[in-house]
Amino acid sequence: IAGITQAPTSQILAAGRRMTLRCTQDMRHNAMYWYRQDLGLGLRLIHYSNTAGTTGKGEVPDGYSVSRANTDDFPLTLASAVPSQTSVYFCASSEGLAGDNEQFFGPGTRLTVL
Amino acid sequence: GQNIDQPTEMTATEGAIVQINCTYQTSGFNGLFWYQQHAGEAPTFLSYNVLDGLEEKGRFSSFLSRSKGYSYLLLKELQMKDSASYLCAVMDSNYQLIWGAGTKLIIKP
Repeated sequence: IAGITQAPTSQILAAGRRMTLRCTQDMRHNAMYWYRQDLGLGLRLIHYSNTAGTTGKGEVPDGYSVSRANTDDFPLTLASAVPSQTSVYFCASSEGLAGDNEQFFGPGTRLTVL
Repeated sequence: GQNIDQPTEMTATEGAIVQINCTYQTSGFNGLFWYQQHAGEAPTFLSYNVLDGLEEKGRFSSFLSRSKGYSYLLLKELQMKDSASYLCAVMDSNYQLIWGAGTKLIIKP
């Protein structure tokens, strides 16, 4: 693995179903993030983690949960999917929180909720 | 509230120069980032400014004026591969990135 991987690449999901988006990084970065990207809007932060064992809420956390059991993995779970969660989801990581730490992005997961 | 504004779309000619502007109002300021995003792909880092002035990196330069809440990304010697969206993002007082909606740059031969 080089960088950040996400799975699945795309998914069509029935409303009400539970879904976990996977994210793994091999850069030993402390901080990880989940964003959603919708047409005409900027990336919006869903949840973040400053370090393994800690998580925090971003701008749009409702309907989503995360966990950070170790440094490398940061899964995002939709407990009961709704059509408004149709979006492209990006996972990202950075060495730390300080301002000059650029974020590296995974390839994204395109999720459609019907 | 927090707000990042940038033009929705711009068109330029191959070989020319283009300037993409970004204005921001945020709770605190810990730096401004520019990212490039090709259609269907992930954003990739271009530049970071935290002090006023111009940062140059090859064909790309980024300028910041903190007093005016203003930045621009300057792309020189445009190539067809520069056709992409350019995202402006500001790190706020909580060290979270606030993102603009992006500027879609179309390069014509």
